[in-house]
Amino acid sequence: GAVVSQHPSWVICKSGTSVKIECRSLDFQATTMFWYRQFPKQSLMLMATSNEGSKATYEQGVEKDKFLINHASLTLSTLTVTSAHPEDSSFYICIGGTGDSPLHFGNGTRLTVT
Amino acid sequence: AQSVAQPEDQVNVAEGNPLTVKCTYSVSGNPYLFWYVQYPNRGLQFLLKYITGDNLVKGSYGFEAEFNKSQTSFHLKKPSALVSDSALYFCAVRKNSGNTPLVFGKGTRLSVIA
Repeated sequence: GAVVSQHPSWVICKSGTSVKIECRSLDFQATTMFWYRQFPKQSLMLMATSNEGSKATYEQGVEKDKFLINHASLTLSTLTVTSAHPEDSSFYICIGGTGDSPLHFGNGTRLTVT
Repeated sequence: AQSVAQPEDQVNVAEGNPLTVKCTYSVSGNPYLFWYVQYPNRGLQFLLKYITGDNLVKGSYGFEAEFNKSQTSFHLKKPSALVSDSALYFCAVRKNSGNTPLVFGKGTRLSVIA
């Protein structure tokens, strides 16, 4: 069935480095990928919406130059956290969909920046 | 804009007793409503959804939820709680038109005591 495969599931990086998170849609074409983050003991907050072949739309307060989103194909969307800092440590989740169809969740990436 | 309220940060219930986790929503038009469960350091697992039709929706692991349009509520229920039900529960809403994101409530931590 339709699945979003998200990698890596966890990553530890040093402050100042960049980290790329990949979400691949399997058995369906994700025209849209929603990117969320979840801080400890908090809810999931939408960061940005990316549509295949166009620029992502970022939510207020999310720096587009820090969180680079690429959605060049219907089966792959990536989020790159550039120059990561400890305050970027969070749980990042991608959710893919097409039109009105059901949404499919990635399993999340736990990012720890030391 | 859509919003979801989960008024309780924590719900405690004895094993074998019925449980209710509350959720109210605000959305223009007819909503799509969802419940998800999250175990520690894991992604979100789908429990159930309301799209249309019968107001009482049955989902995974014996959970059910009732859509109440007049009260704009979608409370999650289970007749007999298990210790293994202890987790973080999220209610979410989505507009029923177009490729729109999920808006999550802040989450309710359920603790089932043996």
